[in-house]
Amino acid sequence: GAVVSQHPSWVICKSGTSVKIECRSLDFQATTMFWYRQFPKQSLMLMATSNEGSKATYEQGVEKDKFLINHASLTLSTLTVTSAHPEDSSFYICSARGHGPSTDTQYFGPGTRLTVL
Amino acid sequence: GENVEQHPSTLSVQEGDSAVIKCTYSDSASNYFPWYKQELGKGPQLIIDIRSNVGEKKDQRIAVTLNKTAKHFSLHITETQPEDSAVYFCAASEGAAGNKLTFGGGTRVLVKP
Repeated sequence: GAVVSQHPSWVICKSGTSVKIECRSLDFQATTMFWYRQFPKQSLMLMATSNEGSKATYEQGVEKDKFLINHASLTLSTLTVTSAHPEDSSFYICSARGHGPSTDTQYFGPGTRLTVL
Repeated sequence: GENVEQHPSTLSVQEGDSAVIKCTYSDSASNYFPWYKQELGKGPQLIIDIRSNVGEKKDQRIAVTLNKTAKHFSLHITETQPEDSAVYFCAASEGAAGNKLTFGGGTRVLVKP
């Protein structure tokens, strides 16, 4: 149980284009989803927290107009990188947290590697 | 906010030996401490977690200890195997901020056969 998927697993795009990444909880309802980015050989940095049906809460320094997050249902959240530039190239990982006694536990997706040319 | 420090950054052990990774945290309100294993090119996988009302937890070859007074917690892997080679991250939840996790810097573990 507690499986989280991401799509796509990797994407290459041209500078100036937008890219959408999907995060799905496959076997549980995710009340909260988190989006992280990870640069090579570094730790995970939280970008934003999203609760189903409400606006995302962004961490300090993360541009909300550049990284659009939508959490339209209890099983799906999307991250759209708008007007992507080479410095946005990174590994983007989502996690989901759901109902039940273990509501602290975050389960992570497999990640999406974004390369902006 | 919370700050989590993790040591060592790299750890090389011989197969069959034990590995220990240590983390310290700053926010005394933190009450949830998970450990994740991340293999190259993959997302982190939860391997064990501990809550503040427990001092130690064990799952087969993996154990975690928590010292709330000193604000540190450790991961112990016994009888290491080559498949244990990965990057391990500790994390702590900011109890006052709705369970947002703060991660340590990670430990790259290499188990030599």
